[in-house]
Amino acid sequence: NAGVTQTPKFRILKIGQSMTLQCTQDMNHNYMYWYRQDPGMGLKLIYYSVGAGITDKGEVPNGYNVSRSTTEDFPLRLELAAPSQTSVYFCASSYLPRQTFNYGYTFGSGTRLTVV
Amino acid sequence: KQEVTQIPAALSVPEGENLVLNCSFTDSAIYNLQWFRQDPGKGLTSLLLIQSSQREQTSGRLNASLDKSSGRSTLYIAASQPGDSATYLCAAQFLMNNNAGNMLTFGGGTRLMVKP
Repeated sequence: NAGVTQTPKFRILKIGQSMTLQCTQDMNHNYMYWYRQDPGMGLKLIYYSVGAGITDKGEVPNGYNVSRSTTEDFPLRLELAAPSQTSVYFCASSYLPRQTFNYGYTFGSGTRLTVV
Repeated sequence: KQEVTQIPAALSVPEGENLVLNCSFTDSAIYNLQWFRQDPGKGLTSLLLIQSSQREQTSGRLNASLDKSSGRSTLYIAASQPGDSATYLCAAQFLMNNNAGNMLTFGGGTRLMVKP
């Protein structure tokens, strides 16, 4: 049981380049999320999905796109990378929409992205 | 706007000391409050989750409290150890009537250093 797997772990992009951050989970969770964490800050929600084929914007969606064609995968796409997108990106999944003692978020280990 | 704040941003204590980390939130319509630990370059590990109907949760040397009326939560760490050094994040799920209620609103974290 791998949990939530993110790839790559590190990436350096040039301004204007595009890339896809991969996220996959093997827990059959319906709910998946993308967060970004800037230095010294908490996590901010970019996009989330409540099931295959359903996605919605979070707090900071500009410059990003997502898709959810399967329950397992929730890739995050950056089309035109900008220095402001330099951050650590975390993918997470959950079984229920709201956290309980036995069903909480599971986070991936993060992707550290630098745009130069 | 629903916000979560953590003060101080950084804390350094000698080994063996008892300490308290603070978290405040702007909206008392809270579903739950969760404390996470984040080690450098790693993802988030859930430590304690307090439902809105509860006042505290305990796990080993950790005790988290929740006071909705004052908009505050504290994480108490007893007999601190160097291995406790990490960033501690609190996150709230606020009551909302749409799917966005799934999201966690994070504080900026407190970076704890326990010196031997």
